[in-house]
Parts: sequence; C-alpha cells; structure tokens
Amino acid sequence: NAGVTQTPKFQVLKTGQSMTLQCAQDMNHNSMYWYRQDPGMGLRLIYYSASEGTTDKGEVPNGYNVSRLNKREFSLRLESAAPSQTSVYFCASSEFQGQTEAFFGQGTRLTVV
Amino acid sequence: QKEVEQNSGPLSVPEGAIASLNCTYSDRGSQSFFWYRQYSGKSPELIMSIYSNGDKEDGRFTAQLNKASQYVSLLIRDSQPSDSATYLCAVGDSNYQLIWGAGTKLIIKP
Repeated sequence: NAGVTQTPKFQVLKTGQSMTLQCAQDMNHNSMYWYRQDPGMGLRLIYYSASEGTTDKGEVPNGYNVSRLNKREFSLRLESAAPSQTSVYFCASSEFQGQTEAFFGQGTRLTVV
Repeated sequence: QKEVEQNSGPLSVPEGAIASLNCTYSDRGSQSFFWYRQYSGKSPELIMSIYSNGDKEDGRFTAQLNKASQYVSLLIRDSQPSDSATYLCAVGDSNYQLIWGAGTKLIIKP
C-alpha cells in the first residue's frame, strides 16, 4: 500500500521555468492538499481539493495552479518559477477535509535559482 | 484568523522521562485534533487523533483534549532519543479547515 506518492523528490529550476508536481493517493480519499514548508517554519496550505471536481485556494496560492485530475491525482503547477518558491512541497490526502487524519507524501525539495 | 499555537521550543527532556507537548486553539467550534511527528528532512507522520474530551492512549503516547479550555496535549512516556523530532499539532476547525501549529522541537537527551 503506497499511500501518497509524490514526484519528483528533488528539482532545481531556473527562474521563469515551469514545472508540475505530481501527487497520487491510493487510499480512496476524497480530499487532497498541497502544502509548502520553509526552513524552520510550519506548513502553509497552497491549494486544496475537498472532493473530486473542486479546488480552492489556501493561504499562499499566488504563483501556483492546481488540477484535480481524478479522485486519485492532484497536481501542482508553477507557471513561472521564482526564487521565493524555493521550498519543500508536501502533498497530503484525507478521507474528509478537516475531519479525518491527513497522510503525507514524501515531499519534493524544490530549488529555484 | 483562526490560530493554533505551540511553544516552538526546543523542549529538552532526559531519556526515560515524560515529555509534555502543548497546543492551544482559537476556534471553539473545532471538532478534530491531530498530533504529527516530523523528523528533519522528512514528511509529517500521524501519531494520534482525538475527537472527544479526555485522554486517549496509544502505547507510550497519550493525547489529552480539553475543549472547554481549548487545549490539547501530547504526553510521551519513557522518552527515547528516537522521539527527538518536531511535533505538529493540527486542528480541524468549524469550517472543516485543517489549521496547523508551527510545531515544537523536542530533544531527548541520552
């Protein structure tokens, strides 16, 4: 049982480049989330999807877009990467938004130079 | 703005002692409460969830919830060096949003 799988694990981008972070869960969860975590700081919600077919902005959505491709998959896109987007990105899923346990992927360490 | 507050630490505890981690939250309508452990460079992993007032025990871990005081705590008995990590408190608020604390860094001294 893989749980939540994120790809890639590491990425270096040049300023202005674009990329998509992929996330898939095999727990049949309804809700999925993208967070970023900067050194010494807590988790900040970028976007979330309460259920298949819906997406909503979180605390720090600027510079990002998301797609809930199906119930299993939730991708995060950086259209024009900036150094301020250097961070560790985590995808997570839960059965019901805000009510049940969230499970995390391994994280993507992104550096924008 | 709804908040979850934790002492950032570090909290230093001798090996074998009880570590006590605390978390307060602002939304009185919150219904679900979670503790996560995060090792450096790793993703958060769930330790315990608690939904009702009182204590919930799982092995060396006990979560305590007091909704009247808007307070949730995590006790770690017989602390081990492997318990050294950052502990994150998360609260499901009245709008079904998961609000995260910034975490408490715990250091277990051998």
